[in-house]
Amino acid sequence: NAGVTQTPKFRVLKTGQSMTLLCAQDMNHEYMYWYRQDPGMGLRLIHYSVGEGTTAKGEVPDGYNVSRLKKQNFLLGLESAAPSQTSVYFCASSYSGALSNQPQHFGDGTRLSIL
Amino acid sequence: AQSVAQPEDQVNVAEGNPLTVKCTYSVSGNPYLFWYVQYPNRGLQFLLKYITGDNLVKGSYGFEAEFNKSQTSFHLKKPSALVSDSALYFCAVRDRGDDKIIFGKGTRLHILP
Repeated sequence: NAGVTQTPKFRVLKTGQSMTLLCAQDMNHEYMYWYRQDPGMGLRLIHYSVGEGTTAKGEVPDGYNVSRLKKQNFLLGLESAAPSQTSVYFCASSYSGALSNQPQHFGDGTRLSIL
Repeated sequence: AQSVAQPEDQVNVAEGNPLTVKCTYSVSGNPYLFWYVQYPNRGLQFLLKYITGDNLVKGSYGFEAEFNKSQTSFHLKKPSALVSDSALYFCAVRDRGDDKIIFGKGTRLHILP
């Protein structure tokens, strides 16, 4: 029972490089989220998805793109990485509708450093 | 707009003493409220939630939280702290009918032996 799996766990990039973070969940959740966690800032929502083929902007979407081509996967892309995007990125998933009062399930994070 | 405030960046408690981690919220409607815990190099783990009904909710590891509608608060409590409770704690709120969950900035709990 894997839950939410994030790959990679660690990555170092140079400014201007691109990369994609992958999130996979095996709980058949409709909703998926990408957050970034920075010291003293808590968790800030980057983008989220309420179902396959749909995405929406969160609190800090600039510099990121997302795709939800399959229900179980949610991809976060950095087209041109900047040092300000150095952070720990967390993916989460949850139920929708009548079960929307259920908690989110989180992955263990991707630690990304931009040099 | 939804918001969550955790007024204390850090709370220090002696082992065996009761602990409280504070949380206040603001939503336009009725809230779903959550507490999560984060250990080093791990994702957030769910502790407890308030949906409706009894204002005192019980969760994992002996934690409980009290929902106070008039004060818009949802403080996390435990009668007797353990050193293993040392971690980062997050309060979160979801306005019913909204897709997003908003998190507080977190409170680091230190339990002193």
